[in-house]
Amino acid sequence: GAGVSQSPSNKVTEKGKDVELRCDPISGHTALYWYRQSLGQGLEFLIYFQGNSAPDKSGLPSDRFSAERTGGSVSTLTIQRTQQEDSAVYLCASSLIGRGNGEAFFGQGTRLTVV
Amino acid sequence: SQQGEEDPQALSIQEGENATMNCSYKTSINNLQWYRQNSGRGLVHLILIRSNEREKHSGRLRVTLDTSKKSSSLLITASRAADTASYFCATDDQAGTALIFGKGTTLSVSS
Repeated sequence: GAGVSQSPSNKVTEKGKDVELRCDPISGHTALYWYRQSLGQGLEFLIYFQGNSAPDKSGLPSDRFSAERTGGSVSTLTIQRTQQEDSAVYLCASSLIGRGNGEAFFGQGTRLTVV
Repeated sequence: SQQGEEDPQALSIQEGENATMNCSYKTSINNLQWYRQNSGRGLVHLILIRSNEREKHSGRLRVTLDTSKKSSSLLITASRAADTASYFCATDDQAGTALIFGKGTTLSVSS
């Protein structure tokens, strides 16, 4: 595709429900990052995938958060039992070169609102 | 883990003036990148400077890197209203895996 695609663009969910956020990276990019950005704040690192290596999950805030990347391409971020503090914009980025050594291309994000 | 920290948090200038933003980081890095974000959505890559480089230019952008002080600066010359955005620095983290962002500088350019 032309760029990183995220879906849905917006998601409103009730507290306690599970949500899945999808990221389609640029074809051929081996690195994939997920970030969370609360209103007016910086980007909080969540998880990083690099090729077939085990993901770096060090940024996940709790065990309610998980992510997978199937076939080295599409990634899904799952939040279980959502809480109001999970409300934020979730951003995905992919890069041809990982480990922070190459330009990252960002999707437009998913705005999650937990009511 | 917070690696980069931008300064100032907010900056307001007039069109035509230069804007300077600074970034400090904590540990050794392989490279440092600057990104721009409009309207709180996707970020756009501006420039990447490697640890063995001291200065880099791209159009109206000038980036410097001082590894001894663990700091970088982004200079935007002859600013335009369209430069109004948030600017973030990003570095590789201590483990050399992920790309870690600072909290950003919000730049407002008025005409």
